[in-house]
Amino acid sequence: GEDVEQSLFLSVREGDSSVINCTYTDSSSTYLYWYKQEPGAGLQLLTYIFSNMDMKQDQRLTVLLNKKDKHLSLRIADTQTGDSAIYFCAEGGGATNKLIFGTGTLLAVQP
Amino acid sequence: NAGVTQTPKFQVLKTGQSMTLQCAQDMNHEYMSWYRQDPGMGLRLIHYSVGAGITDQGEVPNGYNVSRSTTEDFPLRLLSAAPSQTSVYFCASRDRHDQPQHFGDGTRLSIL
Repeated sequence: GEDVEQSLFLSVREGDSSVINCTYTDSSSTYLYWYKQEPGAGLQLLTYIFSNMDMKQDQRLTVLLNKKDKHLSLRIADTQTGDSAIYFCAEGGGATNKLIFGTGTLLAVQP
Repeated sequence: NAGVTQTPKFQVLKTGQSMTLQCAQDMNHEYMSWYRQDPGMGLRLIHYSVGAGITDQGEVPNGYNVSRSTTEDFPLRLLSAAPSQTSVYFCASRDRHDQPQHFGDGTRLSIL
């Protein structure tokens, strides 16, 4: 079945770049998404990329997609303490029409 | 524009009690879904609906029922609550199967 994997934890210093990685298994996925969850809150959509794209940039966020390796990454430039949260990768639009989430990566930004 | 509204925000139940978690959206979205979030396991799909009158099972449907009598509402029913159902529940909606999901703020449920 479909599976999405992420590393559990990433720690960076304020001002550095953060790179959060994700691998997925469903090659028929149409879209891949990044969501942010702050403590006690719901999920906020950060950005998403269509499967026929290699890269998408949106202000401080850069998404890279390697479809051959089924690898997705989210780069946050100039990381701020307000970026501390859990980041979820998700794939969807495939044959099952469902959205499958990774386990989330906790990003800790040190001042 | 309220988006996706979940009620209640918090609930404590005793084992064996039944309960309905409410979810409503005002965006006229066809697709709605229920997820549960547990530590270290991300979000797991419980049930989903692709339109009024149509529902289907997700990854972890046992112990839960859903119905979709209107486009706006998608309630989740726990028939006989068990401690293993202690979790945070999120409802989500989207316009089409390939569009981003909009999430509610969640319901934090504890079963004693």
